[in-house]
Order: sequence, then C-alpha cells, then structure tokens
Amino acid sequence: ELKVEQNPLFLSMQEGKNYTIYCNYSTTSDRLYWYRQDPGKSLESLFVLLSNGAVKQEGRLMASLDTKARLSTLHITAAVHDLSATYFCAVAGGSQGNLIFGKGTKLSVKP
Amino acid sequence: GAGVSQTPSNKVTEKGKYVELRCDPISGHTALYWYRQSLGQGPEFLIYFQGTGAADDSGLPNDRFFAVRPEGSVSTLKIQRTERGDSAVYLCASSHTGPSAANTGELFFGEGSRLTVL
Repeated sequence: ELKVEQNPLFLSMQEGKNYTIYCNYSTTSDRLYWYRQDPGKSLESLFVLLSNGAVKQEGRLMASLDTKARLSTLHITAAVHDLSATYFCAVAGGSQGNLIFGKGTKLSVKP
Repeated sequence: GAGVSQTPSNKVTEKGKYVELRCDPISGHTALYWYRQSLGQGPEFLIYFQGTGAADDSGLPNDRFFAVRPEGSVSTLKIQRTERGDSAVYLCASSHTGPSAANTGELFFGEGSRLTVL
C-alpha cells in the first residue's frame, strides 16, 4: 500500500528566509504532484513532476523529484506572506491516475 | 464550464438522512475522482471513474457510499443513512486521460461540497 509522508506538518517562517518541505513515499512511482490549498478553498496545482531528476520552478518555489530515493522536495526561497497556505504532495499509485496525498504542510510566513 | 463544478457547496443534514453531491467535470476530461477531506487532513481517495465505469472504488468506506456517472460526464456521490463521522469536505476532480502529451495525470479540483451531519 502506497503511503505518502510529509514533513514538517507545520512550519512557521519569517519573511525572507529559505526552507524545504520534504515528501517521502513508500512504493515505486514516477509521478508526483504538489498542490497548494488556502483556507476554505480547493486545491490548486503547483507542480507536476514526471521523471527522476525532474525540477520545476515557479517564482519563489522550486520542486524536485528523486524517484530512486522516493523523495520530493519543495524549496521556498525568500518567503513572503502570500506563500502562507497548506502544501500537499501527491503520488500516483493504486489504479491508473489515482493520487495518494500526504497530510499536508501548513506554512505560515510572518513578517 | 471552465472548471470542475460541485453542488451544493454546503449541505447540512441530520443523522440518518440520504445525501447526494454532484460534480460536473471539465469538458473533455474522461477521468473523474471523488476525494474526502477532513479538517486538518489531506484528501482521502474514494472512487475513480474512467468514462461511465468505476475503475477503482476501493476507497469507499462502506456500502452506505455509492457513486454513479451514467453518461460519462456528471457524477453523483450518494451517501445513505448519514452518520456524524461522514462530515467532511467532499472534493471532486477530473483529469485528461489518453495517449497525448496532455496526459500528465494532473488532477483539477472543484471547490468541494462541505457536508455537515448533525
């Protein structure tokens, strides 16, 4: 059974600082997705990582995938308050197309 | 429509009642998914449709939960004899499937239906 673990689950950062969120998963998969969720809202797709070594960047966020280590990272550079949200990683597993989600990392960026 | 549409956005019901939640996926998306999200948790997979058929219903918690997609587009999630533990946000997502380059497996989510069972 595919399990997806994120850490940390809670992260309080100061503006301008850097930090990394980790996503580990338990069985082989070469598709990993990062989503953002604001309070009371649905999930917004951030990154789609489809192969070992894939790296995607958008603004202050960069995501990477190491399928051999079964690890993805979401790196935050020079955090700003607007990045405050919950970030989920999801891994393709089970039936074709089904995604298994981690518990999420709640990020709070303080001035 | 442009995005995944879910109705109702909020539903309050009493324990034991029957509930239906509706999802209208992105036009042209053949795959449709239902997830359930409890407060402070990640989305939990319930069921996945490819066209009209349920390709994987292994996430449905028990036989009180059922979902249909009779014409391969709109789907309805049905919950019988609701219990307080069914209270959650029910999320619907759709994706493009097929051999084209557009098939990244990325899911596009609706705003969700918040179900409260009193």
